[in-house]
Amino acid sequence: GQSLEQPSEVTAVEGAIVQINCTYQTSGFYGLSWYQQHDGGAPTFLSYNALDGLEETGRFSSFLSRSDSYGYLLLQELQMKDSASYFCAVRDRAGNKLTFGGGTRVLVKP
Amino acid sequence: DAGITQSPRYKITETGRQVTLMCHQTWSHSYMFWYRQDLGHGLRLIYYSAAADITDKGEVPDGYVVSRSKTENFPLTLESATRSQTSVYFCASFPGGRGYEQYFGPGTRLTVT
Repeated sequence: GQSLEQPSEVTAVEGAIVQINCTYQTSGFYGLSWYQQHDGGAPTFLSYNALDGLEETGRFSSFLSRSDSYGYLLLQELQMKDSASYFCAVRDRAGNKLTFGGGTRVLVKP
Repeated sequence: DAGITQSPRYKITETGRQVTLMCHQTWSHSYMFWYRQDLGHGLRLIYYSAAADITDKGEVPDGYVVSRSKTENFPLTLESATRSQTSVYFCASFPGGRGYEQYFGPGTRLTVT
């Protein structure tokens, strides 16, 4: 099976940088995904790492270390609209299913 | 309209009733998934389908039934609803192959009284 751990909540001010860590234990691993979900909304895809290293997409970056079973999502230049829940998700060995972590609620304050 | 849709968006039902949640996607994606999300928690996989007429259990399948007679539709049925099935249900689709993004529907908020 799969299990993922991420912090439950992070608070930061506008303009700051936030790092959300995700550690996983898995019986099979294909890649690590990150999704954003605003209150009342659906999850939307942010980033994906299949190989070790950093992937940058605008203000958001995601990092993976397969040897450490660890990844993180970096949110830079925080804006109020970034207040949301962020989920890491492991893609299984077959490459088609996701197992989600419990989510990290990010609260951005003025 | 293109995309992935769910109906109804909100449903209140009584314990013991049968309820069917609908999911429709227009991309012809091979894979479709049903998740439930309980307040303040992550998403848990109920069932998924790799293609028409191919379905498999996820993490929490008990009490649910799915079918997929057409690629674009993936209904989820609660055969005899229980209060513990009160949740938000999300349907998602995925093209497979080299794709890596699952596309989520808007969700159905189900309350079982």
